[in-house]
Amino acid sequence: DGGITQSPKYLFRKEGQNVTLSCEQNLNHDAMYWYRQDPGQGLRLIYYSQIVNDFQKGDIAEGYSVSREKKESFPLTVTSAQKNPTAFYLCASSDSGSQETQYFGPGTRLLVL
Amino acid sequence: GNSVTQMEGPVTLSEEAFLTINCTYTATGYPSLFWYVQYPGEGLQLLLKATKADDKGSNKGFEATYRKETTSFHLEKGSVQVSDSAVYFCALTRRGFKTIFGAGTRLFVKA
Repeated sequence: DGGITQSPKYLFRKEGQNVTLSCEQNLNHDAMYWYRQDPGQGLRLIYYSQIVNDFQKGDIAEGYSVSREKKESFPLTVTSAQKNPTAFYLCASSDSGSQETQYFGPGTRLLVL
Repeated sequence: GNSVTQMEGPVTLSEEAFLTINCTYTATGYPSLFWYVQYPGEGLQLLLKATKADDKGSNKGFEATYRKETTSFHLEKGSVQVSDSAVYFCALTRRGFKTIFGAGTRLFVKA
């Protein structure tokens, strides 16, 4: 079955700690995306990557970092500089960066202890 | 710039009622238009899409028509079910630009 997996489903972060959210896809898609969703709100783009070893900041990149060393993987690190990290994080991929359907993972809910 | 505006929710309907969720957009050029659905605690999944003017996307009884003259892509369903309760997102994509999502409209369907 092709798809996108995200892990863990729930993640707890202590003050001052960096945490990494995993996103893996086996759809052979070139483009991958990270979104943040706050309760009752829409999606905000954090980072996106259209090709391996390249990525661009989205609308709310401050306090986050990413890497794209493999086509299948696009991990997101929430750093201690992100002062309000509690949210639902969604990873998505698409066949190319334009006019294509995005396929979403099941999401990771990050909570601050 | 590109933008998507959709009606605020929540929308509450009784089972078998008619559903309309309005979506209008602003974009230069010729965007593709999408409706995504998000069930509680899950990611988004594509519901339907249309890639050019006058196209009608349809899936699971839902329909939306790409209206360039009114810059709209309203979602409709003739008879909703309790299982349709979810958040619905309108979105647009243009070649070379990132996808723009609306704020989402929550639908509650009562039995």
